[in-house]
Amino acid sequence: KNEVEQSPQNLTAQEGEFITINCSYSVGISALHWLQQHPGGGIVSLFMLSSGKKKHGRLIATINIQEKHSSLHITASHPRDSAVYICAAHFDGLTFGKGTHLIIQP
Amino acid sequence: NAGVMQNPRHLVRRRGQEARLRCSPMKGHSHVYWYRQLPEEGLKFMVYLQKENIIDESGMPKERFSAEFPKEGPSILRIQQVVRGDSAAYFCASSYGNGYEQYFGPGTRLTVT
Repeated sequence: KNEVEQSPQNLTAQEGEFITINCSYSVGISALHWLQQHPGGGIVSLFMLSSGKKKHGRLIATINIQEKHSSLHITASHPRDSAVYICAAHFDGLTFGKGTHLIIQP
Repeated sequence: NAGVMQNPRHLVRRRGQEARLRCSPMKGHSHVYWYRQLPEEGLKFMVYLQKENIIDESGMPKERFSAEFPKEGPSILRIQQVVRGDSAAYFCASSYGNGYEQYFGPGTRLTVT
């Protein structure tokens, strides 16, 4: 069965802190997506990766295929990073994790 | 280059009415995916379409729901005889091909009264 687990479910941190969100999946995948959903509800695709590491600004995503695990890191976090972060594993289609609710306090 | 467009952004229907949700993919994209996000729940896959073909509808409820992506025009998700449990945010995404990155639309928030 294709399952995607995210942790933590909720995370509150202070501005400037280094943030890590984890994602594990149950079976082999072709790719993994990290998405961001703001309080208004829109969804933005942050990364799609199938191996190694990708970086965009203050965001870094890594994936370990052997361990079936991916992490999303945010450096120098800012209140505008507050959102729900969702990982989605590409099996036949996308299977989504339940999301991590991140709040960055000033 | 416009992104994925969805309309309407908000739709209110009474129980028993029909809801039609539209999705125009990004220019150059011929693959469309529909997802549903129920209140306080995660996103769930519904259906994957290419032009004029349904590729995978394993996430679609068996009754009342249908989807199409005609040769010309937007993809349509149609819900007949809506019930309160259909109230949700419906997102579509498009991609260049299977396995390529998906780009999401802003969603249609359906409220059934």
